[in-house]
Amino acid sequence: QVQLKESGPGLVQPSQTLSLTCTVSGFSLTSYNVHWVRQPPGKGLEWMGVIWSGGNTDYNSALKPRLSISRDTSKSQVFLTMNSLQTEDTGIYYCNRRMVYWGQGVMVTVSS
Amino acid sequence: DVVLTQTPPTLSATIGQSVSISCRSSQSLLHSNGNTYLHWLLQRPGQSPQLLIYLVSRLESGVPNRFSGSGSGTDFTLKISGVEAEDLGVYYCVQGTHAPYTFGAGTKLELK
Repeated sequence: QVQLKESGPGLVQPSQTLSLTCTVSGFSLTSYNVHWVRQPPGKGLEWMGVIWSGGNTDYNSALKPRLSISRDTSKSQVFLTMNSLQTEDTGIYYCNRRMVYWGQGVMVTVSS
Repeated sequence: DVVLTQTPPTLSATIGQSVSISCRSSQSLLHSNGNTYLHWLLQRPGQSPQLLIYLVSRLESGVPNRFSGSGSGTDFTLKISGVEAEDLGVYYCVQGTHAPYTFGAGTKLELK
């Protein structure tokens, strides 16, 4: 059974770094791509980036300077790190496998 | 980056009515490998997005066949033949032909 679950801090202070983990089960990260997508409150979906099955990454052009996606295949985990957080980074952060299987999302609030 | 323009932004429908949503791309989504990576998602209130249609017209497993997708190049359409109450929510098109992936702004389907 394919499952993805996001985890991380619910509250981050402005200018600090966000670290999220997507823990997957039911498939291998070396066989499938995993995407990160976020959604500000009341707004639409924004694609953030992807780690391909081979380990390469692609990023949203606007976020690329402060975003990094990596993985630990032995732990079936994908990591998202984004620095210099601002209030507009508040929202729900989702990981998904090729847009088919999605996690429940994790709410991140950027506030002092 | 590819811009996807969805219309209309809001759609009011009665149960049983057939509706269509348009997604227009700023450039052709035909990949050099012959595939067109244009997909449709539905996000019901309070839920994670769900894949409905992939590769323009292929119905994701478990999705009712009242949903259909069509189009080519830069113009794509999602059609719902007989809206049901469970179809209410926000529909998004997303492209994966050109990195980075991009989403349309969404079309909210509500009851009239």
